Amino acid sequence: DAGVIQSPRHEVTEMGQEVTLRCKPISGHNSLFWYRQTMMRGLELLIYFNNNVPIDDSGMPEDRFSAKMPNASFSTLKIQPSEPRDSAVYFCASSSYPGAGGDEKLFFGSGTQLSVL
Amino acid sequence: DQQVKQNSPSLSVQEGRISILNCDYTNSMFDYFLWYKKYPAEGPTFLISISSIKDKNEDGRFTVFLNKSAKHLSLHIVPSQPGDSAVYFCAGLYNNNDMRFGAGTRLTVKP
Repeated sequence: DAGVIQSPRHEVTEMGQEVTLRCKPISGHNSLFWYRQTMMRGLELLIYFNNNVPIDDSGMPEDRFSAKMPNASFSTLKIQPSEPRDSAVYFCASSSYPGAGGDEKLFFGSGTQLSVL
Repeated sequence: DQQVKQNSPSLSVQEGRISILNCDYTNSMFDYFLWYKKYPAEGPTFLISISSIKDKNEDGRFTVFLNKSAKHLSLHIVPSQPGDSAVYFCAGLYNNNDMRFGAGTRLTVKP
């Protein structure tokens, strides 16, 4: 099992540029999550999908952020235009929904370290 | 709106002693609480969980305690080992798959 795969691992870009982060969930998982890790807020939920449908995007900070899940094996998180305050580690995670007995576990990718200069 | 709070950013303990990591929450709708462990340059991995209807769950050296009246849970690691050094995230789960995390606590176990 390859696990959740995120790309790129590192992204350095200049303010104003478009950034696209990619995620491939674990095969068979039907829920996908995007989290952002910062020192101040820890792991912050941005958006999650069930069966490719966005369920809650209330954590998306601004209209500059958008996420798509065109099929069960791929999702993107896009920031346009990017700003220095967007610098953080972005994690994608997947799970099976609903879980057995409610004992849900998320499986995380290794994250994308984004630096906006 | 931080529904899960970990007020201690760091904790340092001696190898062999007990590590106690604390977590508070505000959302009464959480059905489960989970702890995740994160090493540098890796994603968080699941460690242990507890149902909201229980007050204790144990798995080897790891025990999680839940005090619903105080909206507080804690993770005990006994005995602590240097390999336990990592960032620990507390999380609450509701609606079957909506999971909210705290800011994390960095644990350092000194040999």
